[in-house]
Amino acid sequence: AQSVTQLGSHVSVSEGALVLLRCNYSSSVPPYLFWYVQYPNQGLQLLLKYTSAATLVKGINGFEAEFKKSETSFHLTKPSAHMSDAAEYFCAVRGGSEKLVFGKGTKLTVNP
Amino acid sequence: GAGVSQSPSNKVTEKGKDVELRCDPISGHTALYWYRQSLGQGLEFLIYFQGNSAPDKSGLPSDRFSAERTGGSVSTLTIQRTQQEDSAVYLCASSPPQGVQVEQFFGPGTRLTVL
Repeated sequence: AQSVTQLGSHVSVSEGALVLLRCNYSSSVPPYLFWYVQYPNQGLQLLLKYTSAATLVKGINGFEAEFKKSETSFHLTKPSAHMSDAAEYFCAVRGGSEKLVFGKGTKLTVNP
Repeated sequence: GAGVSQSPSNKVTEKGKDVELRCDPISGHTALYWYRQSLGQGLEFLIYFQGNSAPDKSGLPSDRFSAERTGGSVSTLTIQRTQQEDSAVYLCASSPPQGVQVEQFFGPGTRLTVL
């Protein structure tokens, strides 16, 4: 079975500051990992995905994530936050079945 | 190109009524998924279609929920005798036939409110 834990339901940063959103996963098989972003009243948009090709994954809008098997983590980072990054972020795992298992989400607020 | 579309975008219904939610996947995508997003439960998987077959319907919460897919394209999620706890955003996603590592492309969702 797979599961995802996102530490921090709300994260607040200043514009220009580092963004760090934490995700830990549990999977009985080698996982595929995803970060999605959801803007208000919209669906989910893929930011990046880990599919075992490279442990450091770069995505859209300047985001990246590093897969660390020893820590079962897949934290999302961005060096410098922009106001437009304010949204809810979901980490998801897929392994052994077709469905995505999502974390509870982290709402990111960016302060001017 | 066109993304996943869902209709209606909003649905308000009375407790006990039946509702149908529609999903149009991206053309050529053989896999289709339904998820439910609610405040208390987060994002939950409901059902997965490969073509017109549903090999995994383990997330359907009760027998009031059913789904079908016809022509390997459009899917309908039906909720019978709606209850207030069914209020949520219902998201549909599709993905191409390239294996488990590919992403799922999500539609904008249908917001269901049961009064």
